[in-house]
Parts: sequence; structure tokens; C-alpha cells
Amino acid sequence: RKEVEQDPGPFNVPEGATVAFNCTYSNSASQSFFWYRQDCRKEPKLLMSVYSSGNEDGRFTAQLNRASQYISLLIRDSKLSDSATYLCVVNRGSGAGSYQLTFGKGTKLSVIP
Amino acid sequence: DADVTQTPRNRITKTGKRIMLECSQTKGHDRMYWYRQDPGLGLRLIYYSFDVKDINKGEISDGYSVSRQAQAKFSLSLESAIPNQTALYFCATSAFTPGRTGELFFGEGSRLTVL
Repeated sequence: RKEVEQDPGPFNVPEGATVAFNCTYSNSASQSFFWYRQDCRKEPKLLMSVYSSGNEDGRFTAQLNRASQYISLLIRDSKLSDSATYLCVVNRGSGAGSYQLTFGKGTKLSVIP
Repeated sequence: DADVTQTPRNRITKTGKRIMLECSQTKGHDRMYWYRQDPGLGLRLIYYSFDVKDINKGEISDGYSVSRQAQAKFSLSLESAIPNQTALYFCATSAFTPGRTGELFFGEGSRLTVL
């Protein structure tokens, strides 16, 4: 299994739809998990961290399943502005471990009017 | 103004030339990173620095060198550029905040083309 694996998409969904992305990771010792958003030709920006208990931020919900080694991102009521590439990021370190981030290749989402 | 500024934003150069990409930040973060992004390959870490006296190689450091001139400045050099170094380069910063070790702040990127 690749270290961090994502379905590249593209996911083409109509406005208002609910869409979910999954990301699997291979290192069971991974400590923390994140979703970043990257617009075309722009820099990645942190969308949300993923906590063991799951977390929600408005229309976005992230969940972690350590047993199966995957994280998910659910977007409800999709907006045109949600069109972007979503990067799954896994941190194998803790404490001083930011350098142990591994980025997935991203899942492209296109929200269609 | 951007908190993490990269210069140049775009550069076209020839094989064998020396190139420097510069990064400066106003976030007050100690940690700085250089990544490259290639289509279909995702972001890969080139070098990182946890403070002015600390420099560490990332997963793809061959062909690159860095200099941490100050807390706010971290430059990436290609001593003799080659075509497969054509990529989008990102500088990033982070603070050491327990529980938030994956939060990176990226510059807008430097697109480098080596002919």
C-alpha cells in the first residue's frame, strides 16, 4: 500500500450534492491527520484537522478510522466555490514532527451548476 | 500582503544555470520548509529548517541546497539546474504548537521551468 493514497477523481457533482472522499494511509503509527484544499495553480491551505472523535466545520465533516487506517472528508450542500483539489495529509511524527508530513496526490472536485 | 512571500513567482532558465528561490515570512514561525509539486506526484519535501542553525534534508534533496539567513528567510538554490527540476516550488512555515503539528502556511509558489 502506498503511504498515503487518494482517489484522484475527478468527482463531478451538482450544486447542493453531498460528496465524500476517502484517504488511506499505510503507517499505523501515524499521529495526526489533515485535509488541505488547493485551488488550481494556488498554494495548499489547511481545511481542517482530523481528530479521533471526528470533527465538523460547517458543511465539512472529517472522520478518522484508525483500525482501518483511513480518513474521510464529507462535504454537504456543495457550492461552486468548493471546486478544488483536496489533499490528504498524514503526520507520522509527534511533538517536533511536522517534517514527517506525507501528502497524498489529491482528489479533484468539480461542482457543476 | 502575503505572510509567506516567494520570489520569483515565475522563472524560465537554461540547463546548467544557477537559480535561487527566496522565501520570507512575517508569521514569526521558527520552522520553514521547501517543497516541490509535480503533476501526479503530490508535494514532496526538499529541505526543512527548525531554526536558523538547523538545516535538514527532506526526501528529495539531491541537486538542491538551502540557506537560512534569518528566522524569516529561507532560500533554495539549484546549483546547476536540469530539466527534471521543472516544477512548482512552495515555501512553507509552521509554528511548533502541540497538537497542531501539521498546520503549514504556504507561499504562493514559484514556477520554475528549466529548458
